[in-house]
Amino acid sequence: QSVLTQPPSASGTPGQRVTISCSGSSSNIGSNTVHWYQQLPGTAPKLLIYTNNQRPSGVPDRFSGSKSGTSASLAISGLQSEDEADYYCAAWDDSLNGFVFGTGTTVTVL
Amino acid sequence: QVQLVQSGAEVKKPGASVKVACKTSGYTFTSYYMHWVRQAPGQGPEWMGIIDPGGGRKINAQKFQGRVTMTRDTSTSTVYMELSSLRSEDTAIYYCARALYSGSYSPPELWGQGTLVTVSS
Repeated sequence: QSVLTQPPSASGTPGQRVTISCSGSSSNIGSNTVHWYQQLPGTAPKLLIYTNNQRPSGVPDRFSGSKSGTSASLAISGLQSEDEADYYCAAWDDSLNGFVFGTGTTVTVL
Repeated sequence: QVQLVQSGAEVKKPGASVKVACKTSGYTFTSYYMHWVRQAPGQGPEWMGIIDPGGGRKINAQKFQGRVTMTRDTSTSTVYMELSSLRSEDTAIYYCARALYSGSYSPPELWGQGTLVTVSS
């Protein structure tokens, strides 16, 4: 049972902006940085955003992250068909002394 | 280029142990921590622990305390994860994932291809 809560699904038409929320607590998001992963079917997760809002090399600037208090968000602007995937937030949890992943959000491009 | 190549799929009986290998290449093995993450069918990723290949320091997820052992072999640049007392709920794909930078708080960045472990009587 994850301590980071995400909506199960999100959707949009090509070109739209989609936002995914990640709700945590003072022991995880409230005191540590947030990271986001994209997982395409049958593949390993891919680091999409690290340290709240940083993009690894090669990740399009259509993806952006933000954090406020005990919540974080991932935004996908200019939605494309290849963005259909599962998205997970993650953060270090001081109480559990370990990483925790979010419940995951499936993004569908209509 | 950086590569993390994991050992092949395993089928184990309940109560047995499994040891998954993750052989690395293309970077300085001792400079980056290594995570272990598993993913059960249809579920999200679950963090199992992290090991410092340089100093050997480890942190196990509380859920797996006493059941998981992470080790490393610096001569072959390989990390290992052994899970004991297997039960059906341990059926999952097990991933090694190199941390983005050195330190326990660093997120998993580069992932192995995964090893399917099936626990069945």
